[in-house]
Amino acid sequence: EVQLVESGGGLVQPGRSLKLSCVASGFTFNNYWMTWIRQAPGKGLEWVASITNTGGSTYYPDSVKGRFTISRDNAKSTLYLQMNSLRSEDTATYYCTVEDFDYWGQGVMVTVSS
Amino acid sequence: DIVMTQGVLPNPVPSGESASITCRSSKSLVYKDGKTYLNWFLQRPGQSPQLLTYWMSTRASGVSDRFSGSGSGTYFTLKISRVRAEDAGVYYCQQVREYPLTFGSGTKLEIK
Repeated sequence: EVQLVESGGGLVQPGRSLKLSCVASGFTFNNYWMTWIRQAPGKGLEWVASITNTGGSTYYPDSVKGRFTISRDNAKSTLYLQMNSLRSEDTATYYCTVEDFDYWGQGVMVTVSS
Repeated sequence: DIVMTQGVLPNPVPSGESASITCRSSKSLVYKDGKTYLNWFLQRPGQSPQLLTYWMSTRASGVSDRFSGSGSGTYFTLKISRVRAEDAGVYYCQQVREYPLTFGSGTKLEIK
């Protein structure tokens, strides 16, 4: 059974940093691209970052480019999202998803507030 | 960026009736391989999104055949036949034709 378990969320002040983790199981992690998607409270879905299966290439929208970094440790079957210079508009539930979006984690809440 | 625009449903929809959700893209989602890179998701209240269809009309594993996707290069429809209470939630279309990946704003389905 495929499982994706996110962690690392919480309350953080504007301008500070936070690192999310997503531990994967039930599939061969190093064969698949991975993606982070977020959802602000009461709002729709927004793509945040994607990474190839080897970690050799990464992709971001302009809204997070230069502030967020997606990475992975294939030996640990773990996906990461390093978030720097956080803003109030980054407040959201963050989901990790497998390549074709057919599996999602339960999500982790990040609140950016002073 | 490709803009995805979703329609609104005349809620609530009576149980057993059909519902069609529309989605329009600002650019064709047909890639050079001939496939149309459009996904549909359902997000039930309090849950993570669930993939319903990909490549515009291919149902994801385990998804009921009551869900069917169709469309052209820029106009898409998700039809739900014989709606049930469990179909209630917000439906999102997503283009995966190019980066940045973008979603529609969502269409809420309520069941009567």
